[in-house]
Amino acid sequence: ETGVTQSPTHLIKTRGQQVTLRCSSQSGHNTVSWYQQALGQGPQFIFQYYREEENGRGNFPPRFSGLQFPNYSSELNVNALELDDSALYLCASSSPPGQGGYNEQFFGPGTRLTVL
Amino acid sequence: DAKTTQPNSMESNEEEPVHLPCNHSTISGTDYIHWYRQLPSQGPEYVIHGLTSNVNNRMASLAIAEDRKSSTLILHRATLRDAAVYYCIGSKAAGNKLTFGGGTRVLVKP
Repeated sequence: ETGVTQSPTHLIKTRGQQVTLRCSSQSGHNTVSWYQQALGQGPQFIFQYYREEENGRGNFPPRFSGLQFPNYSSELNVNALELDDSALYLCASSSPPGQGGYNEQFFGPGTRLTVL
Repeated sequence: DAKTTQPNSMESNEEEPVHLPCNHSTISGTDYIHWYRQLPSQGPEYVIHGLTSNVNNRMASLAIAEDRKSSTLILHRATLRDAAVYYCIGSKAAGNKLTFGGGTRVLVKP
């Protein structure tokens, strides 16, 4: 069983640029969630994708957008980067929502984004 | 989601039990209590969850107060590998869209 993988591991961008982060979900999982973790803080929910549609969003501006592909992998895109976007970006996959039972989140190791 | 309050840090000796408290006084009747932990340089990993009854699994036990306003995560015998930040989360969703707080940093001394 393959776990959640993310790429790249580290990334450095400058203010105003755009960035794309990638995530491959765990085998058998078709729901992907993205989280932002600033240094010294807990992860904050950005949004979730299920069946290639956004299925819930946290308190993040529209310049944070995402995609999910038919193979359930996902991208997080951030436009017009700001210094405060520097953080660890985590992807988590899980079983489909709302099907009863508990949907444990399986997290990847994250992508460390630094905005200069 | 329910607001949770946890101590910033706790210390324990190796092979001793660790009791991690969490207050969630605004929790609703349908909110789950989830615990995740984050080892250094890794993403969070699931530890345990519960709704009303106490729960046990291979990693830990979860004791939930009768009024559900607080809970305690119990690591029965701490190992050095248990050094991590432990997050208590109260959420309506059955595991999805989690709202993490600051967590408790657990230090395990040999």
